[in-house]
Parts: sequence; C-alpha cells; structure tokens
Amino acid sequence: GQNIDQPTEMTATEGAIVQINCTYQTSGFNGLFWYQQHAGEAPTFLSYNVLDGLEEKGRFSSFLSRSKGYSYLLLKELQMKDSASYLCAVRENSNYQLIWGAGTKLIIKP
Amino acid sequence: EAGVAQSPRYKIIEKRQSVAFWCNPISGHATLYWYQQILGQGPKLLIQFQNNGVVDDSQLPKDRFSAERLKGVDSTLKIQPAKLEDSAVYLCASSLDDRNEQFFGPGTRLTVL
Repeated sequence: GQNIDQPTEMTATEGAIVQINCTYQTSGFNGLFWYQQHAGEAPTFLSYNVLDGLEEKGRFSSFLSRSKGYSYLLLKELQMKDSASYLCAVRENSNYQLIWGAGTKLIIKP
Repeated sequence: EAGVAQSPRYKIIEKRQSVAFWCNPISGHATLYWYQQILGQGPKLLIQFQNNGVVDDSQLPKDRFSAERLKGVDSTLKIQPAKLEDSAVYLCASSLDDRNEQFFGPGTRLTVL
C-alpha cells in the first residue's frame, strides 16, 4: 500500500532550528516534494529531492534517503512567519501523481 | 506572472444543493488538477487534466462530482447534489506538464449544512 507519515504537530522557538521528518512507503518513487501551507491558504512549493542527499535553499534544507524511505525538512533561524503546516508529497513514477502526507503543523513561540 | 485563479473563495450551501467552482490555470500550463482537502489532511486528487483530456479521475465520486476543461484552459468542478462530507477546501493546481512543479490556487472553502 501507499503511506506517508509525518508528525501531526511540532512546536519550536523563534530563532531555533527544527527538523520535520517524513517517512514513506509507495509503489514507485520519482521524487519527493515539501510544500508550506499557511492556515487558510494554498500550498506553496519549498523543495524537491529526487537523489539522495541534502538540498539547501536559504534557511530551508531538505534531505532524502531513498533506501530508507525517509526525508526531512530542516528550518533554521526560525521566524514567526514560519508557523504553518508543512506537507510532504511523493511523486509516483507510474503516473507522476503526488501522494500527500497529512502535514505537520509547526507552531513557533517567541 | 499571474497565478492560478479560483472562484468563489467561499461557499455555503445546504445538503442536496448544487455548487460549481471555477479555475483559471497559469497561462501555458497543460496540466490541471483538482484536489479536495479536508481539514487536517493532505490534498486528495480528484481529477487530472492534460490539456482538455482527462488523465485520471479514479478518485472522483462520479455519481455526484463532475469536471470539465473544454478548451484546455479554464476548468469547472461541479457537485450535484452536495453531502455534508463534501465540506472541504477545493484546490486547483496547474503545471507545465505532469512532470513539473504544481502551482496552487487559493482554493474554495465549501461548507455544506
């Protein structure tokens, strides 16, 4: 079956670092996406990994291990505006569709 | 560059009524998606279009939901009749093709009473 697991909610402090994990079991794999979704808004693209390793983009980094079916999103120097849900999505290689996790709600405290 | 446009932003109806949502994708994007997102869950794909053809509608409840993209640009999603469990945000997304990043519209929040 297909399954994507993320923690439901995490809390972190402004200025700190937080790591949001995502594990997946899918019938095929052709890349993993991270999206940010503020309450009441549409998801916006953050990162894409298709090969193992770390992709860095400013304060955000994303890591992938295909053999372990595991990814994480690392957010550094947290700001209050980073309070949002973070969605992990795996793209299948059969039809290129995205299988979405339920999202991790990140709460940033001053 | 203009993003994906959707309307209305909010809609409240009673069960058994009908409702329609409209989406205008980013210009030049061949692939268009309709998703249903229930509170606290990730988006669930309802239907995917490539130009004006349906690529996948396996998760579309066809007894009540229908969608079209007649000229390969704008799309409409209709629910007739609505049920309480249809209360959700309906997201439209588009991409250059099915292998590229998806861009989402602001969504339509539907409440069925």
